[in-house]
Amino acid sequence: EPEVTQTPSHQVTQMGQEVILRCVPISNHLYFYWYRQILGQKVEFLVSFYNNEISEKSEIFDDQFSVERPDGSNFTLKIRSTKLEDSAMYFCASSEGGRSYNSPLHFGNGTRLTVT
Amino acid sequence: AQRVTQPEKLLSVFKGAPVELKCNYSYSGSPELFWYVQYSRQRLQLLLRHISRESIKGFTADLNKGETSFHLKKPFAQEEDSAMYYCAPLNSGGSNYKLTFGKGTLLTVNP
Repeated sequence: EPEVTQTPSHQVTQMGQEVILRCVPISNHLYFYWYRQILGQKVEFLVSFYNNEISEKSEIFDDQFSVERPDGSNFTLKIRSTKLEDSAMYFCASSEGGRSYNSPLHFGNGTRLTVT
Repeated sequence: AQRVTQPEKLLSVFKGAPVELKCNYSYSGSPELFWYVQYSRQRLQLLLRHISRESIKGFTADLNKGETSFHLKKPFAQEEDSAMYYCAPLNSGGSNYKLTFGKGTLLTVNP
């Protein structure tokens, strides 16, 4: 069964540095997402991406965050200048499409980001 | 937007006992609800969707519009059911289509 893959599994970075988290969604999927989970807290929506543009973003997704689908297969999340509070597990997800009961979100294994 | 409440952060049962993980929702219109599960060190996985009325790994969830609930139930819990369970409504409109997760319930099934 096809899976969403994320790299790296763990990223350690210093405060103020830029990080790029990478995801390869399932190939025929059209909707792409980033979620995050701070340790001990719930899974929070960050951003959704469809038709090569952001379709929705949360309050968390401020100017320090950006997403890109540079080559038709990868889907990246960039944090421009990391803060300590960005430390979390970041999940990428993809969905086949739209308002359909047959289109659940498929999640990757996550990237654990540690900002020191 | 649809929201859910999972009132129990932790739930502990013994193997073979019935288990019910609660989820209450608020909605505007027809709710579209899912249960996702996250086993230790694994990814979030779809467990159930309300529209399909299916039973997966012995779990069922019935949408009760009168009580605005979508509780997850299993008559006989197994140790391998120990995991984090998230109730999630689908929020959609136009090209926007996303899941919003509840806080989750950590189920521990003791031997």
